[in-house]
Amino acid sequence: NAGVTQTPKFRILKIGQSMTLQCTQDMNHNYMYWYRQDPGMGLKLIYYSVGAGITDKGEVPNGYNVSRSTTEDFPLRLELAAPSQTSVYFCASSYGAVETQYFGPGTRLLVL
Amino acid sequence: AQTVTQSQPEMSVQEAETVTLSCTYDTSESDYYLFWYKQPPSRQMILVIRQEAYKQQNATENRFSVNFQKAAKSFSLKISDSQLGDAAMYFCAYLTGTASKLTFGTGTRLQVTL
Repeated sequence: NAGVTQTPKFRILKIGQSMTLQCTQDMNHNYMYWYRQDPGMGLKLIYYSVGAGITDKGEVPNGYNVSRSTTEDFPLRLELAAPSQTSVYFCASSYGAVETQYFGPGTRLLVL
Repeated sequence: AQTVTQSQPEMSVQEAETVTLSCTYDTSESDYYLFWYKQPPSRQMILVIRQEAYKQQNATENRFSVNFQKAAKSFSLKISDSQLGDAAMYFCAYLTGTASKLTFGTGTRLQVTL
């Protein structure tokens, strides 16, 4: 099992550009999450999903969109990138609401 | 809202010695879960240990153990026989069963010296 995979590993965006961060898990987990980690800080939840077709906002959803068409995939879309979105983005998944979350390796995004 | 506080930005320990990392949290919930995650320079978030609030017994995983004090809302991590590979950022995190959201502390950077 690969666990949780994320692509790309690193990306530089210009202000106003858009991109999609990809996340895939092969553990048949129902729950998936997107977090961002700013320098020197802990992770903050952007969006999460409790199953295919169901998504909900987390703590810092502004400027992002998500979709969950399959159990395995949970892409994060950035529209009109801003310097404030420079961060490391982590995708995670868990079997249930109170089960341990397993994280992908992260995507480092730089918006200039 | 739940908050997680890690008051030690940096800690240092000698190889083979024992170190304790502190974590306190604030919640009005009775059903919750606590975690310690390790983040090495690779940035990968790795689960170290998990504690269910309803369990009185402190969780242990090999050289890692916790001191869970529910009334004091304290959840410290003890690392015994420290190894060079333990050097990393350590994050304390809180999960309530009603929110599906991990709340993280700001982390403690652990250095391991020879």
